[in-house]
Amino acid sequence: AQSVTQPDIHITVSEGASLELRCNYSYGATPYLFWYVQSPGQGLQLLLKYFSGDTLVQGIKGFEAEFKRSQSSFNLRKPSVHWSDAAEYFCAVAPPGTGSARQLTFGSGTQLTVLP
Amino acid sequence: DTEVTQTPKHLVMGMTNKKSLKCEQHMGHRAMYWYKQKAKKPPELMFVYSYEKLSINESVPSRFSPECPNSSLLNLHLHALQPEDSALYLCASSPLGRGAGNTIYFGEGSWLTVV
Repeated sequence: AQSVTQPDIHITVSEGASLELRCNYSYGATPYLFWYVQSPGQGLQLLLKYFSGDTLVQGIKGFEAEFKRSQSSFNLRKPSVHWSDAAEYFCAVAPPGTGSARQLTFGSGTQLTVLP
Repeated sequence: DTEVTQTPKHLVMGMTNKKSLKCEQHMGHRAMYWYKQKAKKPPELMFVYSYEKLSINESVPSRFSPECPNSSLLNLHLHALQPEDSALYLCASSPLGRGAGNTIYFGEGSWLTVV
């Protein structure tokens, strides 16, 4: 069975500092990988996704993530955090392949606090 | 336009009430989903519809009854709920078929409180 681990429950950074949120997965093959962000009281917004190809993917809001097969990781990064980035971040995986409905497995989430 | 619209945004219902949550998307997606999310937890999959047919039911109690009237609409009928069913209910959709994109898009959610 697939699983996703986000080791950091809560991270606090100062505005303007760099950010890295960790995500490790367990799956027999390389799954499809996603990062979603959820602001308080809101739904989930897709930040970026990895299916294949270039292991460094760019997303919205200045985020990027790097897929490392050898480490089964898909860490999210941002060079300079803004106060509006304070939110809950979820890493998710889905079985590869097309044609069927996606069954996402989510990590437990990382709560990001941004200090002024 | 990558938008999934959910109504109502907030719902308070008694344990004997019958209510429905509604979801709509006009992206031509043929897979639609219901997720349940409790506070400080990740979303949990409840139901999946593929081509308007129920394809996955994650052992959800029968007091939750999904319905997919057409390819754009998804409903979740609620009856005789318990206080522990209070949560954020998220609707999502994704394309299906060979060569289709593989991204699930979520709505803003419906906050349900059972009293």
